[in-house]
Amino acid sequence: AQTVTQSQPEMSVQEAETVTLSCTYDTSESDYYLFWYKQPPSRQMILVIRQEAYKQQNATENRFSVNFQKAAKSFSLKISDSQLGDAAMYFCAYRSPTEYAGNTPLVFGKGTRLSVIA
Amino acid sequence: DAGVTQSPTHLIKTRGQQVTLRCSPISGHKSVSWYQQVLGQGPQFIFQYYEKEERGRGNFPDRFSARQFPNYSSELNVNALLLGDSALYLCASSLAWGNTEAFFGQGTRLTVV
Repeated sequence: AQTVTQSQPEMSVQEAETVTLSCTYDTSESDYYLFWYKQPPSRQMILVIRQEAYKQQNATENRFSVNFQKAAKSFSLKISDSQLGDAAMYFCAYRSPTEYAGNTPLVFGKGTRLSVIA
Repeated sequence: DAGVTQSPTHLIKTRGQQVTLRCSPISGHKSVSWYQQVLGQGPQFIFQYYEKEERGRGNFPDRFSARQFPNYSSELNVNALLLGDSALYLCASSLAWGNTEAFFGQGTRLTVV
């Protein structure tokens, strides 16, 4: 079974600075999808960024980018120019591709709470 | 377009009671998944439904059941509630079974006393 590990329970960053959240995962599959979700106090999970394992290029979405190291099974999230609205829980998640499983649930890490200091 | 809607938003139940949580997916989405998020943890997969059929089940006891209706809305039922069932229950919808893009609702906060 796949597992996702987020080793940083809490992180803080100064407004306008850059912060990196860590995520490692364990899998025997060669193809899969990785995600970062943001969960603000409103509780709704919001997709921040996704990465297909077969793509070597790291995904970017505006101020958010990832460092995907497939051999090391590492998938970190970098937030540039941090804003107060970035404060939230961040979850790393793994999903098998359709052809590998009878179902494709998301496997989440325990999350990292990010605080942004004004 | 409306996003994924869940009801109720909060619920307090007594041990041993039964509860039903409801989810309406995004219009056009045919797959619904349920997750349980205990305080301080990441969400854990409970069920996935597609076209009214159960397509996957996580490691949860038989007290947990679900169904999907012809309009693709879904209900999650939990019988014989335990204190440990207290959690945020999240519903996610996607266009098709296995589709990688999941959109979440705001969840139902269940407290068992």
